[in-house]
Amino acid sequence: GAGVSQSPSNKVTEKGKDVELRCDPISGHTALYWYRQSLGQGLEFLIYFQGNSAPDKSGLPSDRFSAERTGGSVSTLTIQRTQQEDSAVYLCASSTQVDAYNSPLHFGNGTRLTVT
Amino acid sequence: AQKITQTQPGMFVQEKEAVTLDCTYDTSDQSYGLFWYKQPSSGEMIFLIYQGSYDEQNATEGRYSLNFQKARKSANLVISASQLGDSAMYFCAMREAAYSGAGSYQLTFGKGTKLSVIP
Repeated sequence: GAGVSQSPSNKVTEKGKDVELRCDPISGHTALYWYRQSLGQGLEFLIYFQGNSAPDKSGLPSDRFSAERTGGSVSTLTIQRTQQEDSAVYLCASSTQVDAYNSPLHFGNGTRLTVT
Repeated sequence: AQKITQTQPGMFVQEKEAVTLDCTYDTSDQSYGLFWYKQPSSGEMIFLIYQGSYDEQNATEGRYSLNFQKARKSANLVISASQLGDSAMYFCAMREAAYSGAGSYQLTFGKGTKLSVIP
């Protein structure tokens, strides 16, 4: 079956512009996560969804970042007024359940964002 | 304190040899899961192996095995018969069962180990 799909795979934008990153999780996965990976670094948690609800948004680095999920499926991460420090790979992952500690996260290939 | 510690930024191994990548973790939960992911230069995150906190047997998946020492809070990944295609970043991660506020149920990652397989 299809894995987690992210688009675009690469995005170059000018400082100050808004960008939208899309994630299409594995069908039937109720939990969806966004992570950020800066160059040569580990993964930084941003936000998770259970269904369409995001119970905790405290991982988002600033109020320029927002995310939504519709229909319990596709999610969009929006970064407003992009800054150069936003340049990173943004990874989306899905899982069968939020509260199952034995359930792995399945990742998409990420969106590489470059802010010039 | 860091929840996941990977002390080896980089490792080299000869092709066909075995290699152990270290991982220690910190949690007060009784129920948790430990995961290893591989990230090749292409950037995708590939799930390799899982070990549950209550599992008495070490997990194995093909050439991958997890050396789980619960009392020492370590979960080292062992790759047997290394292949050139094993060259990648390897991340250890933990998922805790208890709801703990910010970032609950997230997978918490270590900083990774870059493995290079030498022909």
